[in-house]
Amino acid sequence: AQTVTQSQPEMSVQEAETVTLSCTYDTSESDYYLFWYKQPPSRQMILVIRQEAYKQQNATENRFSVNFQKAAKSFSLKISDSQLGDAAMYFCAYRSFSGTYKYIFGTGTRLKVLA
Amino acid sequence: DAGITQSPRHKVTETGTPVTLRCHQTENHRYMYWYRQDPGHGLRLIHYSYGVKDTDKGEVSDGYSVSRSKTEDFLLTLESATSSQTSVYFCAISESQLAAGGPLDTQYFGPGTRLTVL
Repeated sequence: AQTVTQSQPEMSVQEAETVTLSCTYDTSESDYYLFWYKQPPSRQMILVIRQEAYKQQNATENRFSVNFQKAAKSFSLKISDSQLGDAAMYFCAYRSFSGTYKYIFGTGTRLKVLA
Repeated sequence: DAGITQSPRHKVTETGTPVTLRCHQTENHRYMYWYRQDPGHGLRLIHYSYGVKDTDKGEVSDGYSVSRSKTEDFLLTLESATSSQTSVYFCAISESQLAAGGPLDTQYFGPGTRLTVL
C-alpha cells in the first residue's frame, strides 16, 4: 500500500524568505500524480501544485515550485518570497495513475510566516 | 472554483442519533469522496464513489455508509453517531484524464462540515 509522510509538523519562515516543505512517499508503481494542497484558517482546501511522475521537469506555479526526486521518492515544496498569506497547513498527496481513484494524504505541515 | 457545496456546514448532535451529510456538485465529475480531518491524522478517506450507485470503502469506513443516486449528490450517513466521529468532514470531486476540461486527475474540495457529537 502507498503511504505519504510529512515529517515536519510545523515550520516557520520570515516574510520574503524561502522555505521548503518535505514530503516522501512509498509506492511500487511507476506512474502516479503528486499534489500539494494548502489549507488556510478558512479550512478551504486549495490546490497549490501538481506533478505527473512521468514528467521529469519540476512543476512551478508562480512562487511555488517542487523538487521531484522520483528515485528517492521525494516531493518537496519550495515557497519563494514568503508572504503572510502563505501561512496555512500544507498537505502532500499521492494518486495512482491507474486503478482506483483514491488519493492518499500526508498528515500535514503547519507553516507560520513571521513578519 | 469548482462548484461543490456541503450541507450542513455545522452540526451538533447527540450520541446515538443518525446524521446525514450532503455533498452536491455542479461539475458533473464522476468521482466523489468523503474524508474526515482530525489533528495529527491529516485527511483520511471514509468512502468514495466512482459512479452512480458505485461506491467503495476507504481506510476509516466503520460506522459510516454512503449513497449516490444521482451524479451530483453524494450522501454520508452516520447511522448512530459516536463521540469519536466528532470531526471536520470534507467532500471532494475529481475527473479522469480522459474527460475534457481543465486540470484533470485533481481533487477539488468542498468547504467542509464541522460535526460535533456530544
